[in-house]
Amino acid sequence: GENVEQHPSTLSVQEGDSAVIKCTYSDSASNYFPWYKQELGKRPQLIIDIRSNVGEKKDQRIAVTLNKTAKHFSLHITETQPEDSAVYFCAASRYGGSQGNLIFGKGTKLSVKP
Amino acid sequence: GAVVSQHPSWVICKSGTSVKIECRSLDFQATTMFWYRQFPKQSLMLMATSNEGSKATYEQGVEKDKFLINHASLTLSTLTVTSAHPEDSSFYICSAREVRRAETQYFGPGTRLLVL
Repeated sequence: GENVEQHPSTLSVQEGDSAVIKCTYSDSASNYFPWYKQELGKRPQLIIDIRSNVGEKKDQRIAVTLNKTAKHFSLHITETQPEDSAVYFCAASRYGGSQGNLIFGKGTKLSVKP
Repeated sequence: GAVVSQHPSWVICKSGTSVKIECRSLDFQATTMFWYRQFPKQSLMLMATSNEGSKATYEQGVEKDKFLINHASLTLSTLTVTSAHPEDSSFYICSAREVRRAETQYFGPGTRLLVL
């Protein structure tokens, strides 16, 4: 089955700096890769996603890149702000037919220092 | 749009009792709902996948007789923790997949269960 590895487990940056979180996946059939942000005690919120037919996607300060050959994808946050502090989860899914379960990485706790 | 609610938000119960958690998609129809369990400072662990009108598919290691799932309509799925024990204490989160944008999952706010 699919296995998703996420690094680093914790990340501390200064406000205004960039943050990068990396994930690798094992199932080459996975074709959907969302990123979720979870604040303490709250629900995971989808912040960006990418499908396997796209190499990069950007939404304001957030971007995701996908390398299908290497089976890894990354989240890039530019100009970080204190409110970006949260736990970020990557996930992979082999959507199609009866599949579609999200397999999550272990999460990255991002701390943005003012 | 794409709002998912869960009820209750937290519950404390005695060991041996059963607890029912509801997950509702408020403004969309969900063909599939998922139930996750999350321990403190850990990731989301998929427990089961629930399809409307059919039996749930449980992940390996999850007891189907312990965690009863019912998906009676396109907007409601329930998880019943039967004969709860302290080790069942956890944060339970559901998610729903919208028919129109089927790969995206929207999460409920979670239910914190404490079994005494």
